[in-house]
Amino acid sequence: NAGVTQTPKFRILKIGQSMTLQCTQDMNHNYMYWYRQDPGMGLKLIYYSVGAGITDKGEVPNGYNVSRSTTEDFPLRLELAAPSQTSVYFCASESEADEQYFGPGTRLTVT
Amino acid sequence: AQSVAQPEDQVNVAEGNPLTVKCTYSVSGNPYLFWYVQYPNRGLQFLLKYITGDNLVKGSYGFEAEFNKSQTSFHLKKPSALVSDSALYFCAVRPWGDKLIFGTGTRLQVFP
Repeated sequence: NAGVTQTPKFRILKIGQSMTLQCTQDMNHNYMYWYRQDPGMGLKLIYYSVGAGITDKGEVPNGYNVSRSTTEDFPLRLELAAPSQTSVYFCASESEADEQYFGPGTRLTVT
Repeated sequence: AQSVAQPEDQVNVAEGNPLTVKCTYSVSGNPYLFWYVQYPNRGLQFLLKYITGDNLVKGSYGFEAEFNKSQTSFHLKKPSALVSDSALYFCAVRPWGDKLIFGTGTRLQVFP
C-alpha cells in the first residue's frame, strides 16, 4: 500500500495563476479531506468528501474547489492564487475506525 | 464554539525522563479524542485515540494518553522519552457527528 500520495511536493505560483494539487489513496477509504497548515495555527479544513461524487465545504473553502469522481482521487484546485494561500497543504483519507492517514504534503508559495 | 487547546507551544524534556503534552477541549457531548504526531517535512501520523472505556489508552511508540472527563483533558504521556520522539504533536477532537478539530500543536524537544 502506498497510502496517501500527493503531488507536487513543492510549487511556486505567481499571483493570479491556477493549479491543481493531486491526491490519491489506495486504501478504499470513502472519507477524504484537504487541510492547510499555517505556522502556529494547526490544521484548517478546506474541503472534504464522504464518497465519490459528494463534496462539501470545510472551515476555509474560499479560493479553492474540489472534485471527487473516483474513490481514489480527490484533487484540490486553486483558482487565481493569492499570497494568503501560501501554506502547506495536506490531503488525508479516513478509515472506518476514524483514523486519518495523511499524505506527505505540498508546500505552496504564492508570490 | 467548539475548540481544542494545547496550552504549551513547546515542551522540553531530557532523554529518559517522563513527558507530558497537555490537551484540553471544549466540546459538547462525548467526543472522540485523538493524538497525531508530525515529523519534519512529513504528514501527520495517527498515534492513539479514545472512544470509550478505560481512561488510559495506549498507542504507538510507547505513548499513552489519559482521558479525564471532569477536566475535559486528554494529556499525552510517555514514561521515558527518546530523542527520536522530538516532533510536533497535535491533539484532535471529533464532536459527535461532526468533523475533526485540531489543536495548534506542541513541539516536543527531547535533549540527550
